[in-house]
Amino acid sequence: DIVMTQSPDFLAVSLGERATINCKSSQNVFYPSNNKNYLAWLQQKPGQPPKLLLYWASTRDSGVPDRFSGSGSGTDFNLTISSLQPEDVAVYYCHQHYGFPITFGQGTKLEIK
Amino acid sequence: QVHLVESGGGVVQPGKSLRLSCAASGFSFSSYNMYWVRQAPGKGLEWVAVIWYDGGIKYYEDSVKGRFTISRDNSKDTLSLQMNSLRAEDTAIYYCVRDGASGSSGGMDVWGQGTTVTVSS
Repeated sequence: DIVMTQSPDFLAVSLGERATINCKSSQNVFYPSNNKNYLAWLQQKPGQPPKLLLYWASTRDSGVPDRFSGSGSGTDFNLTISSLQPEDVAVYYCHQHYGFPITFGQGTKLEIK
Repeated sequence: QVHLVESGGGVVQPGKSLRLSCAASGFSFSSYNMYWVRQAPGKGLEWVAVIWYDGGIKYYEDSVKGRFTISRDNSKDTLSLQMNSLRAEDTAIYYCVRDGASGSSGGMDVWGQGTTVTVSS
């Protein structure tokens, strides 16, 4: 199984500041035949289901603000929020869908400092 | 508008069965692979099962293999999860999720609100 490890587990950032979450996979999730990383980022606010933020590691889903960006390839990925807003308080998960079983990172809880 | 609505959750004793359903609307259900993903109380996300758009291929997480069965009825735009021999560790919110990579997106792009399963004596 591909193990997904996020860091940090908990992050407190001031409003307007940058927040960066890292996700590492135990195996390569890049598929050369279509040049895609099978890595996505989800946001889950309290009491709500998760919401897709980014797919193929760096493509924003429809309606996602452009302060959210994704980078990385292969086994090492980052989610960056360029200017933290109050509504960004949530738990963030990465997951790979390169192979089954699909696996998730343990989650990073983001709060306002 | 794209919607997934789960139903069928509840409180059940260990060893008993439960069947979850998910009604899809607003998209071409028969074109998409579909997942079940669960979340135990206060815990992270765990993938449970996937079914291909035509029902021809299914995969399961190891701990549910042989106990859970994923199925779909494309004529009724419905996804199901038959859960047998339930254990306390199956207690979770169960989400019905669309596979965006089947379409023009990627990852898990549409989530239902979830249905809660509690296994307790």
